[in-house]
Amino acid sequence: EAQVTQNPRYLITVTGKKLTVTCSQNMNHEYMSWYRQDPGLGLRQIYYSMNVEVTDKGDVPEGYKVSRKEKRNFPLILESPSPNQTSLYFCASSPAVEGVGSGANVLTFGAGSRLTVL
Amino acid sequence: AQKVTQAQTEISVVEKEDVTLDCVYETRDTTYYLFWYKQPPSGELVFLIRRNSFDEQNEISGRYSWNFQKSTSSFNFTITASQVVDSAVYFCALTMPYRDDKIIFGKGTRLHILP
Repeated sequence: EAQVTQNPRYLITVTGKKLTVTCSQNMNHEYMSWYRQDPGLGLRQIYYSMNVEVTDKGDVPEGYKVSRKEKRNFPLILESPSPNQTSLYFCASSPAVEGVGSGANVLTFGAGSRLTVL
Repeated sequence: AQKVTQAQTEISVVEKEDVTLDCVYETRDTTYYLFWYKQPPSGELVFLIRRNSFDEQNEISGRYSWNFQKSTSSFNFTITASQVVDSAVYFCALTMPYRDDKIIFGKGTRLHILP
């Protein structure tokens, strides 16, 4: 089944304790992206990647890191989490469209990871 | 600046009523794509439609229809004869592929269909 898998789905942690949210897709998609969803703010893009070793900042990258060493994986790293990073996080992927940017394609989302930082 | 505005934060209608969700976008690019995604109470995000800036034809898919008007920079979504299963948060999104690969989402409209 074609899917985007995120882990963990739920996590409660404490301020300053490094954590990684993994994201993996099995569709050979070039484009991968992370979003956070907060009440009243909708979905905001954190980072995106157009292919292996290519990553770019979205609108809210502060406090996050990503890497794209393999096409299928795009982990989100919180080096020193803070309470304002408590949120629902979504990973998504889409195929590239030749001649058009990857962002033009339909996103397949993971199920979401609910993170609470105390 | 690029922006997506969904002015309706929350809407409640009685089942079988028609409802329109508004989406207004801002971009100076001539090539762009617009999307609608649905997030039901279970939380997953599901694609509904994509439209590029060169295709202003309205689209109908069952009870769902979309009205794209470049003159007003709007991409509105109408549900005809709403059903309880339509209750969800709906997001409109914009991307400008020749600028960068960012995808800009609106804040979403929470739709309640009352039985």
